[in-house]
Amino acid sequence: GDSVTQMEGPVTLSEEAFLTINCTYTATGYPSLFWYVQYPGEGLQLLLKATKADDKGSNKGFEATYRKETTSFHLEKGSVQVSDSAVYFCALHNNAGNMLTFGGGTRLMVKP
Amino acid sequence: NAGVTQTPKFQVLKTGQSMTLQCAQDMNHEYMSWYRQDPGMGLRLIHYSVGAGITDQGEVPNGYNVSRSTTEDFPLRLLSAAPSQTSVYFCASRPSGGLYQETQYFGPGTRLLVL
Repeated sequence: GDSVTQMEGPVTLSEEAFLTINCTYTATGYPSLFWYVQYPGEGLQLLLKATKADDKGSNKGFEATYRKETTSFHLEKGSVQVSDSAVYFCALHNNAGNMLTFGGGTRLMVKP
Repeated sequence: NAGVTQTPKFQVLKTGQSMTLQCAQDMNHEYMSWYRQDPGMGLRLIHYSVGAGITDQGEVPNGYNVSRSTTEDFPLRLLSAAPSQTSVYFCASRPSGGLYQETQYFGPGTRLLVL
């Protein structure tokens, strides 16, 4: 079946540091890939997505590129802020099914 | 436009008690889903619905029932709560077509503690 693997957290960074959160997936066919963010006490919000190979999703300074050859969708941001502290989930939607498959989540803590 | 709403926000149950977690959306989305979130395990799909009157099981359906009598509402029922059902529950919805058909919209969650 489909699966998503994320790097385990927590990831602790200083403000303005560079962020990478690794995500790899296993899926049949050509899934769409997503990053969701969960701020403390809230539900998940879509951060960015990519629907086909080599697509780059971007939002709020975050970027991720759909790499089919390495089955990866790593999340990056050039300069993190304290307000970016949250849990980040990588997910895929397989066109063959109706469900999202999530990774385990990575907690990011940004210190001033 | 309230999006996806869930009630209650927090609930404590004793083992064996029953309860219903409510979920409603006002975006006229056909698809609705229930997930549970446990530490280190991400979100796992419990049940989902592709439209009024149609439901199906997800990855972890045991111990939960759902029904979908209207497009707006998708309640999740625990018939006999167990400590293993202690979790945070999220309801989500998405449209069945169009540009945003793969984007799920999540409610704020219900935190459930079963003693």
